[in-house]
Amino acid sequence: EADIYQTPRYLVIGTGKKITLECSQTMGHDKMYWYQQDPGMELHLIHYSYGVNSTEKGDLSSESTVSRIRTEHFPLTLESARPSHTSQYLCASRDRGRTEAFFGQGTRLTVV
Amino acid sequence: AQSVAQPEDQVNVAEGNPLTVKCTYSVSGNPYLFWYVQYPNRGLQFLLKYITGDNLVKGSYGFEAEFNKSQTSFHLKKPSALVSDSALYFCAVRDQTGANNLFFGTGTRLTVIP
Repeated sequence: EADIYQTPRYLVIGTGKKITLECSQTMGHDKMYWYQQDPGMELHLIHYSYGVNSTEKGDLSSESTVSRIRTEHFPLTLESARPSHTSQYLCASRDRGRTEAFFGQGTRLTVV
Repeated sequence: AQSVAQPEDQVNVAEGNPLTVKCTYSVSGNPYLFWYVQYPNRGLQFLLKYITGDNLVKGSYGFEAEFNKSQTSFHLKKPSALVSDSALYFCAVRDQTGANNLFFGTGTRLTVIP
């Protein structure tokens, strides 16, 4: 079982609020990822990181930002939430010596 | 560019029957292929992977997948389905560039009928 944690699991928030979704892993993995999952199931990569102080944008354009100040922590921030940001957000990590990634349980965000 | 396709949005199978969830891929070079499962309100769990070697790959929970290079397919299989196998299944391929990110298919919802 992978040790990667996301908080909160569920969040309902009003339009215009600033939010931060937390993701932490205790495995010392270098690479970390954020995926956005549509209600229709499809997964889209929105951010990734090779390691500390590295952040890259994924294939799906997102208004969110990320930071990687510590190896174990990869938070995602929305400065001003909108209803279009309603989705499930999945965090993942991968060890440089492995090919598979491990996922957290996800944060289901609803912006009203 | 690399991609995977899951042609079926939904697969229904009776408990005890064999199941197959289909995946085809498109990559240049040798593919790194993966299957993940997602249970309701959960993240994705790794099931199995193909990197090289035997075309039949065995994974968690009795699942296996067959890599077929000529048909560019990587179908997920299980000899005898359980009701508890009902979930979303995602096929993925690894990026062939330096980023090595995973690109997922659109997912297939498997329902095992008691």
